[in-house]
Amino acid sequence: DAGVIQSPRHEVTEMGQEVTLRCKPISGHDYLFWYRQTMMRGLELLIYFNNNVPIDDSGMPEDRFSAKMPNASFSTLKIQPSEPRDSAVYFCASSFVAETGVREKLFFGSGTQLSVL
Amino acid sequence: SQQGEEDPQALSIQEGENATMNCSYKTSINNLQWYRQNSGRGLVHLILIRSNEREKHSGRLRVTLDTSKKSSSLLITASRAADTASYFCATDSSYNTDKLIFGTGTRLQVFP
Repeated sequence: DAGVIQSPRHEVTEMGQEVTLRCKPISGHDYLFWYRQTMMRGLELLIYFNNNVPIDDSGMPEDRFSAKMPNASFSTLKIQPSEPRDSAVYFCASSFVAETGVREKLFFGSGTQLSVL
Repeated sequence: SQQGEEDPQALSIQEGENATMNCSYKTSINNLQWYRQNSGRGLVHLILIRSNEREKHSGRLRVTLDTSKKSSSLLITASRAADTASYFCATDSSYNTDKLIFGTGTRLQVFP
C-alpha cells in the first residue's frame, strides 16, 4: 500500500486566491482527519470524517475553510479566500476501527506546505 | 486548547544516552499514543498505551502511563543519531475516542 497520499506537496499562492488540498487515504480505512501544523499553534485538528461523513468540524478556523469527502478514497480541504495567516503545513491522516471496536493509530501523509503571500 | 503538553520542549543528548520525554494531559482518556516526526515529514506512530495499562515496551522504547497524575513518559534507550526528530504524545478522551489531540512536542537532538 502506498500510504496516505497528499497533493500538492508544496503550494504557494497569493492572498485572496482559492486553495485546494487533496488527500487519498489508505484503502479500507474509514476515518480521515485533517490537521494543520504551525510553530505557534502546533498540530491542530481541523475536521474528521467517518465513513465519508463529517463528524466534527469544530476545529475549522473560519467559514473560509471547507472540507469534503465525496467517496472513501478522496478528500479535499479548501480555503477560499486564502490569507497569509493560513500559511502552515496541512496533514491528512487516515485510520480504521480494530476488532476491539476502538479506532487505532493514525497513518499520516507527507503534508502540504502552504505559503500564502 | 491542546490536550497534551510535553516537557521538555527540546532535548539534546549524546549517542548512547537515554532520552526521556514527558507528556501531561487534562481529561480522562481511553488511550495515549506517541508519534515521531522527522523534519519535513509526516508523523509516524510509535506506540499506543491503553488507560488500563501502566507500562509498555517496543524495542528501545518504553512508555509509562499514570492516569492518576494524567501523565505519560517516553524513554528511548541507547539513543542513536537517527533518533533525532520531534516526538508527540496524542490522546483521545473517554467521551470521544475518535478525536485524537496532539501535544506540543519535544524536539530531540542526538549528537554522534
